[in-house]
Amino acid sequence: ELKVEQNPLFLSMQEGKNYTIYCNYSTTSDRLYWYRQDPGKSLESLFVLLSNGAVKQEGRLMASLDTKARLSTLHITAAVHDLSATYFCAVDMEFGNEKLTFGTGTRLTIIP
Amino acid sequence: GAVVSQHPSRVICKSGTSVKIECRSLDFQATTMFWYRQFPKQSLMLMATSNEGSKATYEQGVEKDKFLINHASLTLSTLTVTSAHPEDSSFYICSARRPGLAGASEQFFGPGTRLTVL
Repeated sequence: ELKVEQNPLFLSMQEGKNYTIYCNYSTTSDRLYWYRQDPGKSLESLFVLLSNGAVKQEGRLMASLDTKARLSTLHITAAVHDLSATYFCAVDMEFGNEKLTFGTGTRLTIIP
Repeated sequence: GAVVSQHPSRVICKSGTSVKIECRSLDFQATTMFWYRQFPKQSLMLMATSNEGSKATYEQGVEKDKFLINHASLTLSTLTVTSAHPEDSSFYICSARRPGLAGASEQFFGPGTRLTVL
């Protein structure tokens, strides 16, 4: 059974600081997704990582994938309050079937 | 592009009644849609895969007779919660798969339906 774990589960950080959210998964996969969820809302797609060594950046967020280590990171640079949300990583369970297993989620709170 | 809608956004029903939730891909055709449920402060759990023109595939532990899924067209999938009970109260989210370049398809998520069973 595929397990996807995120670390930390809760993160409170000050504006302007940098931090990294980690996503570990238990079986081989080369497709990893990052999503953002605001309270009471659905998911917003942030990044799609499709190969080992993939790195993508959008604004203050940067995601990377190391398939050998089964690890993805979401790095936040100079955090701002608008980034407060819950962030999920998700791994494609079965190549071609697009069945996603979601991580536990990281609730990020940016303090002014 | 890649907009997925859900209806209703919120529904409150009495225990024992059935509730139907619609999921539509508005600007693309989706041969595959997925249904998830999310309890408060928890992650999303895949319930079933909905395939156009065929029976849905349910995940282990999900009762197919309780959660009826119909994927009648390339843009519409429905989830019916039959004989709903308070423990079925949850946030139900659908997604639709859009094929992409080089096989890298992507799922686009609907806005979710909050079901409350009294």
